[in-house]
Amino acid sequence: GQNIDQPTEMTATEGAIVQINCTYQTSGFNGLFWYQQHAGEAPTFLSYNVLDGLEEKGRFSSFLSRSKGYSYLLLKELQMKDSASYLCAVKDSNYQLIWGAGTKLIIKP
Amino acid sequence: EADIYQTPRYLVIGTGKKITLECSQTMGHDKMYWYQQDPGMELHLIHYSYGVNSTEKGDLSSESTVSRIRTEHFPLTLESARPSHTSQYLCASSELSTGDGANVLTFGAGSRLTVL
Repeated sequence: GQNIDQPTEMTATEGAIVQINCTYQTSGFNGLFWYQQHAGEAPTFLSYNVLDGLEEKGRFSSFLSRSKGYSYLLLKELQMKDSASYLCAVKDSNYQLIWGAGTKLIIKP
Repeated sequence: EADIYQTPRYLVIGTGKKITLECSQTMGHDKMYWYQQDPGMELHLIHYSYGVNSTEKGDLSSESTVSRIRTEHFPLTLESARPSHTSQYLCASSELSTGDGANVLTFGAGSRLTVL
């Protein structure tokens, strides 16, 4: 079966750095996405990786290793507004998105 | 402003009622989706559409139906609601692309349905 694993919950301090990991086992791979979802709101797109390596976008970076079936989302200079759930999703061989259950990130002052 | 709208945001109804969740997008996207999301769980695809007159079932068995008569409109209907249908329903849209392109999904704010 297809599976995406993320930690259920993480806690970090304002101003610090946090890394949210995502491991996947899917039938084929055609890209990996990270979305942010604040409580009660719509998920919004953060990043996309299809080749190995690091993609940087401001305070957020996303890394992919296809051989290891692994990705992480790195958030720097954490702000209180970064408190949200972070969803990892993989596009499989049928170009369908397989979603993880999300990681709830709690930022403390 | 290009966006995707869902109504109602919140709905509480009794068992056996028929309901329609509305979804409209102004971005001209060809592909539209309905997802079900429960707290702490992954998004499950219920239905999707490649364009007008196209509807497909997703990976989650559902008693709902959808229609796509206009590009911008993708309503979801439950003919007879049950308590097991209580959930958050998210509508999304994207450009129609193939291959490994990043066809990013734009989501609506969701419709939270409670069936008593």
